[in-house]
Amino acid sequence: SQKIEQNSEALNIQEGKTATLTCNYTNYSPAYLQWYRQDPGRGPVFLLLIRENEKEKRKERLKVTFDTTLKQSLFHITASQPADSATYLCALADNNDMRFGAGTRLTVKP
Amino acid sequence: DTAVSQTPKYLVTQMGNDKSIKCEQNLGHDTMYWYKQDSKKFLKIMFSYNNKELIINETVPNRFSPKSPDKAHLNLHINSLELGDSAVYFCASSRERQERRPLHFGNGTRLTVT
Repeated sequence: SQKIEQNSEALNIQEGKTATLTCNYTNYSPAYLQWYRQDPGRGPVFLLLIRENEKEKRKERLKVTFDTTLKQSLFHITASQPADSATYLCALADNNDMRFGAGTRLTVKP
Repeated sequence: DTAVSQTPKYLVTQMGNDKSIKCEQNLGHDTMYWYKQDSKKFLKIMFSYNNKELIINETVPNRFSPKSPDKAHLNLHINSLELGDSAVYFCASSRERQERRPLHFGNGTRLTVT
């Protein structure tokens, strides 16, 4: 069966460090992978999209990699700040609908 | 201006009741969705809908039905509510039903069935 696994339920890091979140998938052949941020009591907000033929994508302090051989995406936040604390979700398309991982809750401590 | 808005934000009701959640988007998007987020935080697709096609996740009970009066609205009707229906329900929209299109979410409706 198809699975999306974000293998850290929670991640705590110190301000200024780089946060690295992992998204692994099985039995998928996604053409695109997306990352979202969700704050408590709010809906997910789109951050980045990466295509299967792209190895890496950057946006300000964010970097996403996509390895279709390993079936893995890594999401990096450099120079992390307490305001980056949130839950981060990866998402893959499945029959034209988005399927999400359970998310990783990131806490950046001052 | 809120792009995707849902009402109500909180809904507490008793088992067996029928309730509706409303959703509106002002982004001019063609496709709207309903997602359910359970206590373990998994977001699961329930429906996707544009003016041509309704796609229903086969695991969704037929007590749930989407109703779209126009392209900007997709309401969710739930009949005979059960305890297991308690969750947060998110409405979303995208420009087209294509896998590369980012989803724009509302802020959710927390449904509690007692």
